[in-house]
Amino acid sequence: EVQLVESGGGLVQPGGSLRLSCVASGFTFSNYWMHWVRQAPGKGLVWVSRILPDGSGATYADSVKGQVTISRDNARNTLYLQLNSLRVEDTAVYYCVRDQRVWILDYWGQGTLVTVSS
Amino acid sequence: QSALTQPASVSGSPGQSITISCTGTNSDVGGYNYVSWYQQYPGKAPKLIIYEVSNRPSGVPDRFSGSKSGNTASLTISGLQAEDEADYYCNSFTSRHTGVFGGGTKLTVL
Repeated sequence: EVQLVESGGGLVQPGGSLRLSCVASGFTFSNYWMHWVRQAPGKGLVWVSRILPDGSGATYADSVKGQVTISRDNARNTLYLQLNSLRVEDTAVYYCVRDQRVWILDYWGQGTLVTVSS
Repeated sequence: QSALTQPASVSGSPGQSITISCTGTNSDVGGYNYVSWYQQYPGKAPKLIIYEVSNRPSGVPDRFSGSKSGNTASLTISGLQAEDEADYYCNSFTSRHTGVFGGGTKLTVL
């Protein structure tokens, strides 16, 4: 069974940093593209970032470029998202998502909530 | 990258059909067949229901179908059921190798 379990969310002050993790199981993690998608409370889905199986080819939404970094450790079956210079508007549930082929987001984690507030 | 344009809400009675549109540009929806649709219940993670414009993953009822014409993709749900009441989002690959979602559509089953 495919499972994606995010962690690392929490309350952080504006300007702070956070690293989100996503542990994958039930499939060969190193074979798949992976994404992060976020959703602010009561709002829609927003695509954040994607990374290729070998850790290359990271792309980012304009709204987060320069502020976040996606990475992965295939030996640990883990996807990461480093969030820096956090702003109140970055408050959201962050989902870790597997990509079955090209932009087929077939498995989603349960999400981890990041709250940016003073 | 601007969000794809979806109607904020649609509604229909049980048994009826509804269609949700998703309008983008030549750089996303119109330029690629990498359009997908997701269903989301409140407090839950989204679920893939259509990929590559018109393909259904295993387990998704054939009441759900997708299509595309030019820069607009569409999701049609036929034989509407109460359990279809949810939020629906489209997503597309873009020419910049990024992704973009629509703003979401709330489906109400009357």
